[in-house]
Amino acid sequence: EIVLTQSPGTLSLSLGERATLSCRASQTISSSYLAWYQQKPGQAPRLLIYSVSSRATGIPDRFSGSGSGTDFTLTISRLETEDFAVYYCQHYDSPPFTFGPGTKVDIQ
Amino acid sequence: EVQVVESGGGLVQPGGSLKLSCAASGFTFSGSAIHWVRQASGKGLEWIGRIKSKTSAYATSYAASVTGRFTISRDDSKNTAYLQMNSLKTEDTAVYYCSRSTMTTNWASDYWGQGTLVTVSS
Repeated sequence: EIVLTQSPGTLSLSLGERATLSCRASQTISSSYLAWYQQKPGQAPRLLIYSVSSRATGIPDRFSGSGSGTDFTLTISRLETEDFAVYYCQHYDSPPFTFGPGTKVDIQ
Repeated sequence: EVQVVESGGGLVQPGGSLKLSCAASGFTFSGSAIHWVRQASGKGLEWIGRIKSKTSAYATSYAASVTGRFTISRDDSKNTAYLQMNSLKTEDTAVYYCSRSTMTTNWASDYWGQGTLVTVSS
């Protein structure tokens, strides 16, 4: 089973700042099967990024993904009010398709 | 409009059973994979399992925490997937989400339902 670790646990930033979220896998994730989701309280997760760096439909270009192998990054270039949420990475390489524990981005 | 809608949640006693449904519309259900993910109150997301399409022989995979107790199935004629949960434990209490994945997003889950709450308690 691939274990995903996310850091930091909480990121406190101001509007307009850059957010950098990390996701590290316990083993290499092949074929770029790594996704990022955003979740707000009381809502279902929302797909932001798939295949490490491809933005899902309707996702603003301030969200970008990068990485390979075992180290992956979600970057939000300039935080807007609606971006304060919890972010999860997930691999879908081989089952079980585990999620990371999440990074909470909150307002400083 | 693509939609997936879960139903069937509720209160069940430990050791009991419950069957959740995931009704889909607005897309070619038969060509998609369906996932079930749960989230206990205040906790993170836990992937439970997935069922592939007919072209992949409806193959299923499960998390270790539910293997042998939970079963995912689908009825393409009804555009519906199911999660049969047996031998329920208090730790299975959570909001259960279904989601679809397709080749369009390289099999990442792009549409999710709003979830259905399952409470396991005596």
